Amino acid sequence: AQKVTQAQTEISVVEKEDVTLDCVYETRDTTYYLFWYKQPPSGELVFLIRRNSFDEQNEISGRYSWNFQKSTSSFNFTITASQVVDSAVYFCALSEYGGATNKLIFGTGTLLAVQP
Amino acid sequence: DAMVIQNPRYQVTQFGKPVTLSCSQTLNHNVMYWYQQKSSQAPKLLFHYYDKDFNNEADTPDNFQSRRPNTSFCFLDIRSPGLGDAAMYLCATSSFAQGIDSPLHFGNGTRLTVT
Repeated sequence: AQKVTQAQTEISVVEKEDVTLDCVYETRDTTYYLFWYKQPPSGELVFLIRRNSFDEQNEISGRYSWNFQKSTSSFNFTITASQVVDSAVYFCALSEYGGATNKLIFGTGTLLAVQP
Repeated sequence: DAMVIQNPRYQVTQFGKPVTLSCSQTLNHNVMYWYQQKSSQAPKLLFHYYDKDFNNEADTPDNFQSRRPNTSFCFLDIRSPGLGDAAMYLCATSSFAQGIDSPLHFGNGTRLTVT
């Protein structure tokens, strides 16, 4: 069975601190895709990054970086120098290899609160 | 520019009274999804369409149905809402042409309250 675990329910940091959000996944597929989404208080889910199972390169985008390690089935997300606008719920998701459709299995999310 | 639009933003319905939520998209994506997200929980897939092909998740209650009259629109019908159906309902789209790992584009959601 496929599963995504985000063990951190809530994290509170002070602005400018670095913070890492953990994501551990389970799948029997050899081909799979991982995603991070941000859900601000307004409700919409905003796509941040995707990674396929054959690409273990880490990625940096501005203050955001992602560390994908197949050996530990983890896909962690780090925000450097956090800002109040980063406050949101962050979801890690795993995609089943289902042909034309991209059925996401979400973790339970991590609520990040960045205090000024 | 909003690309996946959900109406209404907030919907209140009475217990047992049918309700319809709508979703429209300007992306011309061939796949549309409906997710249910209860308070402090992960979004859960209810069903999806690939073009006109409807795919129901095995654990989606029969009380939930969907219609997709054309590429741009998709509706979620709840025939007899119960208190347990109160949730945020999220519509999303993706494009097979962009690859099977194409990200989902979500709307702002409709928050359903059942009284």
